[in-house]
Amino acid sequence: DIVMTQSPDSLAVSLGERATITCKSSQTVLYNDKNYLAWYQQKPGQPPTLLIYWASIRESGVPDRFSGSGSGTDFTLTISSLQAEDVAVYFCQHYYTTPITFGQGTRLEIK
Amino acid sequence: EVQLVEAGGGLVQPGGSLKLSCAASGFTFSGSSIHWVRQASGKGLEWVGRVKRKVDSYATAYVASVEGRFTISRDDSKSTAFLQMNSLKIEDTAVYYCTRSDKTGYKYWGQGTLVTVSS
Repeated sequence: DIVMTQSPDSLAVSLGERATITCKSSQTVLYNDKNYLAWYQQKPGQPPTLLIYWASIRESGVPDRFSGSGSGTDFTLTISSLQAEDVAVYFCQHYYTTPITFGQGTRLEIK
Repeated sequence: EVQLVEAGGGLVQPGGSLKLSCAASGFTFSGSSIHWVRQASGKGLEWVGRVKRKVDSYATAYVASVEGRFTISRDDSKSTAFLQMNSLKIEDTAVYYCTRSDKTGYKYWGQGTLVTVSS
């Protein structure tokens, strides 16, 4: 199974500042020039919301302050200017093969 | 509008069974793979398994921790997927979500149904 490891587990950032979350997979999720890697945001009591797929493609309607980067085994989610509504837990996920696995989550708070 | 609505959750004793359903609307259900993901309270997301389309022979796959105990199926005529859970364990307690797989992650999720395994 592919193990997804996020860091940090929690993060406190000031409003307007940059937030960066990393995700490392135990083996490559790159195939045919596509990285099978997605990022989700989850707020309390709600299902997750898809933010990024193919590692760097922003889902329709997602603010452009969210961006994804990386390839192979190392990936990053960046929020360029933190807003109050970005307080949430963020998960990375590979969909390269089954079993699909998620990172353990990163809790993002306001400093 | 795409909608996924889970039902069937509840309280069950260890060793018991429960069958969840996922009613879909707003898209061509028969053309989509359906996945189940669960989340224990305050914990992360765990993929449970999936059922593919008829053209893919309704192929199923499961996470190791539920293999042999859980079965995913679908009824395309009713746009509904099912998760049959047998030999339930306390550690199966979670909110269970169904999702539509678009090969680009999970854009559409249901609101989830809570399964509690307790004596």
